[in-house]
Amino acid sequence: KAGVTQTPRYLIKTRGQQVTLSCSPISGHRSVSWYQQTPGQGLQFLFEYFSETQRNKGNFPGRFSGRQFSNSRSEMNVSTLELGDSALYLCASSLRTGVEETQYFGPGTRLLVL
Amino acid sequence: GESVGLHLPTLSVQEGDNSIINCAYSNSASDYFIWYKQESGKGPQFIIDIRSNMDKRQGQRVTVLLNKTVKHLSLQIAATQPGDSAVYFCAPRSQGNLIFGKGTKLSVKP
Repeated sequence: KAGVTQTPRYLIKTRGQQVTLSCSPISGHRSVSWYQQTPGQGLQFLFEYFSETQRNKGNFPGRFSGRQFSNSRSEMNVSTLELGDSALYLCASSLRTGVEETQYFGPGTRLLVL
Repeated sequence: GESVGLHLPTLSVQEGDNSIINCAYSNSASDYFIWYKQESGKGPQFIIDIRSNMDKRQGQRVTVLLNKTVKHLSLQIAATQPGDSAVYFCAPRSQGNLIFGKGTKLSVKP
């Protein structure tokens, strides 16, 4: 079974631009979560989507948004990029079955904002 | 709010020795815990998990111990190998969300 895939793997943008990142979950997984990872803050939860609905949201500004499609693929968008948005953006998928909800991570998209 | 801490930010062990990575969490309502391993340039990789109604779970060369009384869990790696070198995260689940600590870097000396 293929793992979580993320595209693109690397991205360079300039301040003020916007960016869209894509995530394809493991086949059959309906939950997709997004995280931002930086050396200073570690892994921080952005949001989670399940069945095309945002179920949870972390403490990030409204410039960060996401959506999920009917095939469970998800995209996240960051508008008006700032230098501090440079990070590794990780997507994780899970089945969402009861108490045990193991999240499986993709390789991430490394975003550099200049 | 939820906080997750790691007792040792870095851990250096000799190849073949056992490693113990510790993690403290703050939310007593956490019901599920996962350990992840992250190698350089890769996303976190699932290692082992444990439910709050258990105090020990074993995998291949790894054991997780959970002490809910003191809100502490540990990851034990037997016969540590160079391929175990990575950053290890514990992630308690609280209110449906996984909370990640900053991680512990494990370095294995050959």
